Amino acid sequence: TQLLEQSPQFLSIQEGENLTVYCNSSSVFSSLQWYRQEPGEGPVLLVTVVTGGEVKKLKRLTFQFGDARKDSSLHITAAQPGDTGLYLCAGGKAGGTSYGKLTFGQGTILTVHP
Amino acid sequence: DAGVIQSPRHEVTEMGQEVTLRCKPISGHNSLFWYRQTMMRGLELLIYFNNNVPIDDSGMPEDRFSAKMPNASFSTLKIQPSEPRDSAVYFCASRQTANYGYTFGSGTRLTVV
Repeated sequence: TQLLEQSPQFLSIQEGENLTVYCNSSSVFSSLQWYRQEPGEGPVLLVTVVTGGEVKKLKRLTFQFGDARKDSSLHITAAQPGDTGLYLCAGGKAGGTSYGKLTFGQGTILTVHP
Repeated sequence: DAGVIQSPRHEVTEMGQEVTLRCKPISGHNSLFWYRQTMMRGLELLIYFNNNVPIDDSGMPEDRFSAKMPNASFSTLKIQPSEPRDSAVYFCASRQTANYGYTFGSGTRLTVV
C-alpha cells in the first residue's frame, strides 16, 4: 500500500506569514494532486503535477513535484484567513492494479488568524 | 454543471438498520469513486467504477458494505446492517479520464447510534 505522509499535521499562523506543507512517500507516482477542503464540503482540486521537478503557481500558491516524483510541496505566500482549510495531497499511479485511483495523505489543517 | 450530487447530506440511523447513500456523477465522467473520511483514518477509498464496472473494491471494509452503479448517472453505497463504527462522512467523486482530477460531492455525514 502506498503511503503519503503530510507534514505538518496542524499549522496555525498569522495573516501575512508564509508557509510550506510537505507530502512525502517512498513510492513513485505518475501524478500528484493537491486538494483543499472546507468544513462540510468535499475536497476541491487545486493543481495536478505530472513531471519530476515541475513547478506550478496558482496566485499565492506554489506547488512543486520532486525530481524523483516521490514528494511534493505546497508553499503559500502571505497567507490570508481565506486560505484556512484542510490541504490534502494525493498520488496516482500509471499502471497495474493501482491505475486510476488516488491515494490521499492524512492532510494538513491550516488556520490563518486575522 | 451541477457537480457531483450526493444524498442525503445527513443520515442518523440506529444500529442494525440498512443505510443507502446515493450519488449522481457529473455527466460525461466515466469513473466514480466512493471514499470514507474520518479523523482517525483520513480519506479511504472504498470502491471505484470505470464505465459502470467495479474495478477495485479492496477498500470495502466488510460484506456489510456493497456498491452498485446500474448506469452512468447513478450509484449507491449500501450498508446492511449498520454499526456505530460506520459513522463517518462518505464522499462520492467522479472523474473524466485518468489525467484529470476528481470532482467530489459534498458528502453524506452518517451517524449510527
